[in-house]
Amino acid sequence: DSGVTQTPKHLITATGQRVTLRCSPRSGDLSVYWYQQSLDQGLQFLIQYYNGEERAKGNILERFSAQQFPDLHSELNLSSLELGDSALYFCASSVEPGMNTEAFFGQGTRLTVV
Amino acid sequence: GQQVMQIPQYQHVQEGEDFTTYCNSSTTLSNIQWYKQRPGGHPVFLIQLVKSGEVKKQKRLTFQFGEAKKNSSLHITATQTTDVGTYFCSYTDKLIFGTGTRLQVFP
Repeated sequence: DSGVTQTPKHLITATGQRVTLRCSPRSGDLSVYWYQQSLDQGLQFLIQYYNGEERAKGNILERFSAQQFPDLHSELNLSSLELGDSALYFCASSVEPGMNTEAFFGQGTRLTVV
Repeated sequence: GQQVMQIPQYQHVQEGEDFTTYCNSSTTLSNIQWYKQRPGGHPVFLIQLVKSGEVKKQKRLTFQFGEAKKNSSLHITATQTTDVGTYFCSYTDKLIFGTGTRLQVFP
């Protein structure tokens, strides 16, 4: 158990809909990262937060948004969903941003858009 | 922009054979991390390399950071079926991952 909790584990929704994925980081971790992993593909970096503030953005679509709340949990909002958004979405957390500490990953949320 | 290539993309080996994956950057890296993702699982941190020419070992796994800090390798000696998975290198403080190398081990 990595200590990072992601909910829900599975989500099936229709095209055009909006969903929210939730991530609770490990206790004490201030930095949260979101990734998209399509079937048999690599980990595409979406966005990073540190202590409530957006720190870095990757190839995140305009239809996607995220935020980190004062209690440090984070939510990834995906709207106007398309079939191609079907993927595994991972959240990771670390004590601090940067490369000095390891990141811990949640189990992921598998999103299926039908 | 910075580009990091990970090779090979796939590797199939017989159990007992060695395996190596490489992470090559077009620019100097401050440090590098390696992660392993088992099939159906999530990435798990393996190690971090910081110094030029650094070599670290974990049992049958040997990690190296190049002298110029532009490349890194992960070598597994005498693979076992438990080594199956995808190995990713990670670079920059955004925790961006390389494309990964998927290892399949046949018994």
